[in-house]
Amino acid sequence: KQEVTQIPAALSVPEGENLVLNCSFTDSAIYNLQWFRQDPGKGLTSLLLIQSSQREQTSGRLNASLDKSSGRSTLYIAASQPGDSATYLCAVRVSGGSNYKLTFGKGTLLTVNP
Amino acid sequence: DVKVTQSSRYLVKRTGEKVFLECVQDMDHENMFWYRQDPGLGLRLIYFSYDVKMKEKGDIPEGYSVSREKKERFSLILESASTNQTSMYLCASRDRGDRVSNQPQHFGDGTRLSIL
Repeated sequence: KQEVTQIPAALSVPEGENLVLNCSFTDSAIYNLQWFRQDPGKGLTSLLLIQSSQREQTSGRLNASLDKSSGRSTLYIAASQPGDSATYLCAVRVSGGSNYKLTFGKGTLLTVNP
Repeated sequence: DVKVTQSSRYLVKRTGEKVFLECVQDMDHENMFWYRQDPGLGLRLIYFSYDVKMKEKGDIPEGYSVSREKKERFSLILESASTNQTSMYLCASRDRGDRVSNQPQHFGDGTRLSIL
């Protein structure tokens, strides 16, 4: 059974700092990995999707990497801003069996202080 | 941009009531999903629909049913609401695409449901 872990559970940084969020998964047989952002009381916003054949994806100040063999992904946020404060979730889509579903981590709560 | 719209942001119902949560997407996506999100438990899949009138149970289907009569609309039904169904409910959709593995899921803003 696929399990997804995100460390740390919470992170507080000063504005302008570069930071890395971590995601690990137990089964490397995946189609893709997706990073989401969730603001308090809201739904999820898709940030980046990395296919299993890719090593990284970039969007603006965000860069996500994927090391499928070791079961790890990182989300790098450059020059953090208070508006980046949110919960960040990663989710993997397995390639066998129930391959329609995403398995989510519990998220990292990021606070960027002005 | 993909738009997934959930009919209510907040809903308060009583124990034993039949509750309908509605979700509409505007991108002609084949796949639609219902999740619930609870503190400490994360997101859990309730039901999935891969096309009109087609559905599959997710991880926690007990106490719920779904309806997909039209491609753009996916309804979650609480047959007899109970207090342990108080939660945030999230709907999502995804394009099946020509390479099924590579389409992102898009989420609505969620419905915070309280059962009293």
